Amino acid sequence: EADIYQTPRYLVIGTGKKITLECSQTMGHDKMYWYQQDPGMELHLIHYSYGVNSTEKGDLSSESTVSRIRTEHFPLTLESARPSHTSQYLCASSAYRNTGELFFGEGSRLTVL
Amino acid sequence: GNSVTQMEGPVTLSEEAFLTINCTYTATGYPSLFWYVQYPGEGLQLLLKATKADDKGSNKGFEATYRKETTSFHLEKGSVQVSDSAVYFCALSETHNAGNMLTFGGGTRLMVKP
Repeated sequence: EADIYQTPRYLVIGTGKKITLECSQTMGHDKMYWYQQDPGMELHLIHYSYGVNSTEKGDLSSESTVSRIRTEHFPLTLESARPSHTSQYLCASSAYRNTGELFFGEGSRLTVL
Repeated sequence: GNSVTQMEGPVTLSEEAFLTINCTYTATGYPSLFWYVQYPGEGLQLLLKATKADDKGSNKGFEATYRKETTSFHLEKGSVQVSDSAVYFCALSETHNAGNMLTFGGGTRLMVKP
């Protein structure tokens, strides 16, 4: 059973608001990821981290930012939300030298009006 | 670069029908291959994997065989159930300096009708 949690599960906010999507894992995994999932289901890697104080941008350019101050915590922040940010955001983690197995949270569905 | 191509959905089947979801890949080295499943309202979870050529991954009645000669990893199940309705993602992983990174296919939605 994976132990990775995302909050909130659903969020509806107005344009211009600052939002933070929380992601926490209790497995002690070094690597963590944020994926954006569009309505067509395709997954796009937007951020990842190899460990504390490490953050990298993924394949898809994103206006969001991330931080990794603690191993278990990898929050994603949007300083000023826009309707184009409306999407499902999935957080995942993996052990450092894993064979490609990622553990996913249940996702945060963001709607910006 | 690496890429994964899946058959487009949705795939609609009746209960107990045979399922095949095609997946082909392009990779520069010798990747590991995976199938992930996403049930409605949930995140993805690993369904099965294969780490080298000719390996067969299996789980919950699903199977996929790593075919290096055809660069394929097709997902099959002999008799689907309504509870198998979900989105299925094929993925590959190659080792980079700091560990493995996954490349996902576009996903295939499966709908099983009673």
